[in-house]
Amino acid sequence: GAVVSQHPSWVICKSGTSVKIECRSLDFQATTMFWYRQFPKQSLMLMATSNEGSKATYEQGVEKDKFLINHASLTLSTLTVTSAHPEDSSFYICSARDPGTSSYEQYFGPGTRLTVT
Amino acid sequence: AQTVTQSQPEMSVQEAETVTLSCTYDTSESDYYLFWYKQPPSRQMILVIRQEAYKQQNATENRFSVNFQKAAKSFSLKISDSQLGDAAMYFCAYRSEGGKLIFGQGTELSVKP
Repeated sequence: GAVVSQHPSWVICKSGTSVKIECRSLDFQATTMFWYRQFPKQSLMLMATSNEGSKATYEQGVEKDKFLINHASLTLSTLTVTSAHPEDSSFYICSARDPGTSSYEQYFGPGTRLTVT
Repeated sequence: AQTVTQSQPEMSVQEAETVTLSCTYDTSESDYYLFWYKQPPSRQMILVIRQEAYKQQNATENRFSVNFQKAAKSFSLKISDSQLGDAAMYFCAYRSEGGKLIFGQGTELSVKP
């Protein structure tokens, strides 16, 4: 199957700073990528849908000014957590949709663990 | 809005036995996809099986099969000949026409040797 990478896999930052997480589709072009957040022992919650060349669509309750999403190319989407606080500590997962498959398959990245101290 | 419900937070199965994980969903759409994903301790999401709503035939992938009951909006996963490597969190997911994946709460499966 197709491969989606995320970088970094684990990041620790101080409260008040910003951190950027990258999501790349390695062997296909993804016009649409998705960002999820997962707390320990909980399910994945969709944060936003990222479309190449346009503004991201955020789910209800997600602060768009806090979680900045950029999808500048067909293989890269970034999530920037601005002015991070300890409550932003979580596991962030991206997925990329492959338009070349008949079922528009989504492939998941390995996730990024964010710890805000 | 679509919802997905997994009513079994934890399940346990003996190695080589069969286990069934339950999932129900709610939607007003007629065309959609349903998925089962596995999330091992590494937390990498792994697709186990998919079902297209317009197909009446239940999907099968080796030891994994589903019982898809569209009218009842039920989508259970059967794991046959359970192996130690099957131990993981399993998520049922619904994909709408817009492409969003909506996940259930998850079922943690343990496999006893």
